[in-house]
Amino acid sequence: GPKVLQIPSHQIIDMGQMVTLNCDPVSNHLYFYWYKQILGQQMEFLVNFYNGKVMEKSKLFKDQFSVERPDGSYFTLKIQPTALEDSAVYFCASSWAWGGYEQYFGPGTRLTVL
Amino acid sequence: QQKVQQSPESLIVPEGGMASLNCTFSDRNSQYFWWYRQHSGEGPKALMSIFSNGDKKEGRFTAHLNKASLYVSLHIKDSQPSDSALYFCAVSPMTNSAGNKLTFGIGTRVLVRP
Repeated sequence: GPKVLQIPSHQIIDMGQMVTLNCDPVSNHLYFYWYKQILGQQMEFLVNFYNGKVMEKSKLFKDQFSVERPDGSYFTLKIQPTALEDSAVYFCASSWAWGGYEQYFGPGTRLTVL
Repeated sequence: QQKVQQSPESLIVPEGGMASLNCTFSDRNSQYFWWYRQHSGEGPKALMSIFSNGDKKEGRFTAHLNKASLYVSLHIKDSQPSDSALYFCAVSPMTNSAGNKLTFGIGTRVLVRP
């Protein structure tokens, strides 16, 4: 079936550094999402993105976070600067449309901030 | 703010048995309900969706929705060892804006014993 890829699978960085998480969504999908999961907790919505714009973001999507998808390439989540509480698994998802359309998830990027 | 709760936290089922998973949600404006399954090391994958009150059967899986009672469930008949996974209930609201954020439960871990 359709696959979402995420690069890297693991990232370890020092607090205060910048990190970019990359997502290769399903090729004909138009809507893109990031979710955050802290170990032992529920997966939580961060942001969704359509037609080059953020459509909705949660309170977890701090000012240090940004997303973009330049020219149909990777959909990226950038965190600058990182904080200890950013340590989590970040899942990217994509969907063809919204409403009752399935969101396809990648395998996640485990981010550890030291 | 939407709250999604799942029970039980974990479940051991004999091979060939029935697994029953429960989910409650708090927002009466909820419109779309999904069951996702996650195997270790992978991202969540949609198992099935249900949007109308009543039962929906897909093979060995049956979902039940009762919006008035804020309740959705999943039953797995004739459980197989390959059904061993983490199962998430995910809910999204009716919205006029593009993109659907999913609110996830914490998951039910199912173990099917041969």
